[in-house]
Amino acid sequence: DAGVIQSPRHEVTEMGQEVTLRCKPISGHDYLFWYRQTMMRGLELLIYFNNNVPIDDSGMPEDRFSAKMPNASFSTLKIQPSEPRDSAVYFCASNNRGENQPQHFGDGTRLSIL
Amino acid sequence: KQEVTQIPAALSVPEGENLVLNCSFTDSAIYNLQWFRQDPGKGLTSLLLIQSSQREQTSGRLNASLDKSSGRSTLYIAASQPGDSATYLCAVSSLSNSKLTFGKGITLSVRP
Repeated sequence: DAGVIQSPRHEVTEMGQEVTLRCKPISGHDYLFWYRQTMMRGLELLIYFNNNVPIDDSGMPEDRFSAKMPNASFSTLKIQPSEPRDSAVYFCASNNRGENQPQHFGDGTRLSIL
Repeated sequence: KQEVTQIPAALSVPEGENLVLNCSFTDSAIYNLQWFRQDPGKGLTSLLLIQSSQREQTSGRLNASLDKSSGRSTLYIAASQPGDSATYLCAVSSLSNSKLTFGKGITLSVRP
């Protein structure tokens, strides 16, 4: 099992640029989650999908953030335009909630907005 | 709104010591509780998942307990080793949806 795969691992870009983070969940998992981790706020859920459909995006901080899941094996989190306060580590996770399984996390994308 | 608290934020112990990490949550209507480990620069690794109907789960030197009525969970680590040094996070899953609410974690350092 390859685990949850995220890319890129690190991203450094200038304020105002568009940033796209990518995630490939574990095959067969029907839930996908996007989290953000900062020292101040810890781990926060941004949005989650069930069977490729967004279920709850109440954690998305602003309209600058958007997420898509065009198919069961791929999701993106986009920030446009990016701001320095978006600097954080972004994690993707997946599971089968119906089977009471733990969430499996990727290694994250460390994002720095200058 | 569910809140998860882990105190203290950091802990340093000598190798070989048995230790207990605490987690408390405000809303007892949970689906499950999970303990994760996070190494620096890495994602989270699931250690134990306790379903709401269960009282404890064990894996090797780790034992996690759940007391839903009091809103508490503990992670017991037996015979700690330097390799156990990491941040340990507790998270609860809501009964009504799939959201996980995380504590801020306890950073454990096991001294050789």
